Amino acid sequence: AQSVTQLGSHVSVSEGALVLLRCNYSSSVPPYLFWYVQYPNQGLQLLLKYTSAATLVKGINGFEAEFKKSETSFHLTKPSAHMSDAAEYFCAVKGGSSSASKIIFGSGTRLSIRP
Amino acid sequence: EADIYQTPRYLVIGTGKKITLECSQTMGHDKMYWYQQDPGMELHLIHYSYGVNSTEKGDLSSESTVSRIRTEHFPLTLESARPSHTSQYLCASEDSPYSDTQYFGPGTRLTVL
Repeated sequence: AQSVTQLGSHVSVSEGALVLLRCNYSSSVPPYLFWYVQYPNQGLQLLLKYTSAATLVKGINGFEAEFKKSETSFHLTKPSAHMSDAAEYFCAVKGGSSSASKIIFGSGTRLSIRP
Repeated sequence: EADIYQTPRYLVIGTGKKITLECSQTMGHDKMYWYQQDPGMELHLIHYSYGVNSTEKGDLSSESTVSRIRTEHFPLTLESARPSHTSQYLCASEDSPYSDTQYFGPGTRLTVL
């Protein structure tokens, strides 16, 4: 079984500051991990994903995440926040390559950017 | 660029009405999903389909029903809407087994008065 926990339902940073959104997962098999972003009144859009290749994954809009098996974490970072980064961010886990495995989403973290 | 569409985007209806939320994708994906999402809350899987004539209930119990007669079309129906059905409904399709990425539609925000 898989589960994912996002620490902090709301994160606020200043424009230009580091963005760090935390995600911890639980999986009984080697996981696939995802970060999605949701802008107001829109569906979710894939930011990046880890599927057992390189542990540091680069995504769109300058975001990246590092898979740390020892810490069961997949935190999302961006060196310098931009006002356009304000959105809801969802971490998700899938039980590897099994076609029967469904994606499990976290509860989301709302990112606010202060001018 | 993902091509997945949902209509209507917004719907306000009275209690007891029958409604159908449309979802279509042009990518030929076999797997499709319906999620329910309350404002600022997590996504709850309510239905999924792994192909034509295949439908399953998700983790969250829902009074809605779905059908999958064609690969590209996955409508969701509420026979008698109630205020408790007020929510956002997100449809997604999955590029499995190639990338395991889910592509989402823009959502339908349903309000039942």
